Amino acid sequence: GQQLNQSPQSMFIQEGEDVSMNCTSSSIFNTWLWYKQDPGEGPVLLIALYKAGELTSNGRLTAQFGITRKDSFLNISASIPSDVGIYFCAGRSAGSSNTGKLIFGQGTTLQVKP
Amino acid sequence: EAGVAQSPRYKIIEKRQSVAFWCNPISGHATLYWYQQILGQGPKLLIQFQNNGVVDDSQLPKDRFSAERLKGVDSTLKIQPAKLEDSAVYLCASSLRPQEGSTFGSGTRLTVV
Repeated sequence: GQQLNQSPQSMFIQEGEDVSMNCTSSSIFNTWLWYKQDPGEGPVLLIALYKAGELTSNGRLTAQFGITRKDSFLNISASIPSDVGIYFCAGRSAGSSNTGKLIFGQGTTLQVKP
Repeated sequence: EAGVAQSPRYKIIEKRQSVAFWCNPISGHATLYWYQQILGQGPKLLIQFQNNGVVDDSQLPKDRFSAERLKGVDSTLKIQPAKLEDSAVYLCASSLRPQEGSTFGSGTRLTVV
């Protein structure tokens, strides 16, 4: 089946540093979503991208829909301790646009040192 | 608005027993999803409902898993009989339309011993 490769698997950074993570697919996607999951909770939607090349910000978070439609990137600027969590990318392939079926990456675990 | 409600939060059962999870989506959300999240992995879609009809259940192990959405609102997911590898968090999510990002519940953590 379809798979998303998300990297890095984990990151341990100093407070105030910028963070970058990405997600790649072997097939073309029409939608990219980025979620954050805290322990014991469900994922929370951060940013949704619907067009190739689209660049969208949500506060200190910026995500981009890759031009090839096979990748997406998430950047977090000036990290703070509450950014700690697991970040998931999720994509919706061209064939599933009508049904909305999402495929999730394996997640990037972010730890921030105060 | 109220979020997606799930119960129970935790469940421990022995293998070969049965278990059921309940989900109440956000009011007005026509699309409802059940995901399985194994520790260290991303959520995997089990079944998707549009109102009370099944849109996608291609990854649902139908020999042991079943799900229904009563009157297009609440939904239940059942496992019978459970196996050790069913230990996971079961997440329910809903959205107004299939193309939009979903709102997730807090999940039910199932441990099969």
